[in-house]
Amino acid sequence: EPEVTQTPSHQVTQMGQEVILRCVPISNHLYFYWYRQILGQKVEFLVSFYNNEISEKSEIFDDQFSVERPDGSNFTLKIRSTKLEDSAMYFCASAALTGLGSSEQYFGPGTRLTVT
Amino acid sequence: GESVGLHLPTLSVQEGDNSIINCAYSNSASDYFIWYKQESGKGPQFIIDIRSNMDKRQGQRVTVLLNKTVKHLSLQIAATQPGDSAVYFCAERSTGKLIFGQGTTLQVKP
Repeated sequence: EPEVTQTPSHQVTQMGQEVILRCVPISNHLYFYWYRQILGQKVEFLVSFYNNEISEKSEIFDDQFSVERPDGSNFTLKIRSTKLEDSAMYFCASAALTGLGSSEQYFGPGTRLTVT
Repeated sequence: GESVGLHLPTLSVQEGDNSIINCAYSNSASDYFIWYKQESGKGPQFIIDIRSNMDKRQGQRVTVLLNKTVKHLSLQIAATQPGDSAVYFCAERSTGKLIFGQGTTLQVKP
């Protein structure tokens, strides 16, 4: 069964450093998402991406964040200068369709980011 | 604003009993709702979904009920098993993104 994969599973970084979290969505999917989950809290939407551009972003997704689809398979989330409060699980998700012809979003296993 | 929430942070049931997990949502314009299961250290896993033009939808051992009048969503798990132990989130879809509730931890006692 196809699945979303994410690397690394755990990333430890110092405050102020840049990190890149990587995701490989399911191959025939067109819609891509990043969510985060602070320990013990709910999953929060960060950004959605379609047709090589951001479709929507939340208030959390400020200028320190960026996303990219550098090739036909990878989807990355970059945090330029990490802060302590960026420590969380980051989930990538992908979907074949959205809107009225919707399909479910498939989530990856997540990357645990620890900022020290 | 938009928010989705769950009534209870923890639900403890005996193996074999039925479980009911509840969720209240606030965005009456939402037209699609999903239940996700999250096991420790893993990402959310799709369980079942329902569109706003339906009241009930059944899957394998799971049923989702939607009451649009009171903006309430519930997940029923029949004959709960130890493998059902996890955190359950309801989510609504708004403009493509998912808005998650806080989560209910289901504990299944043998």
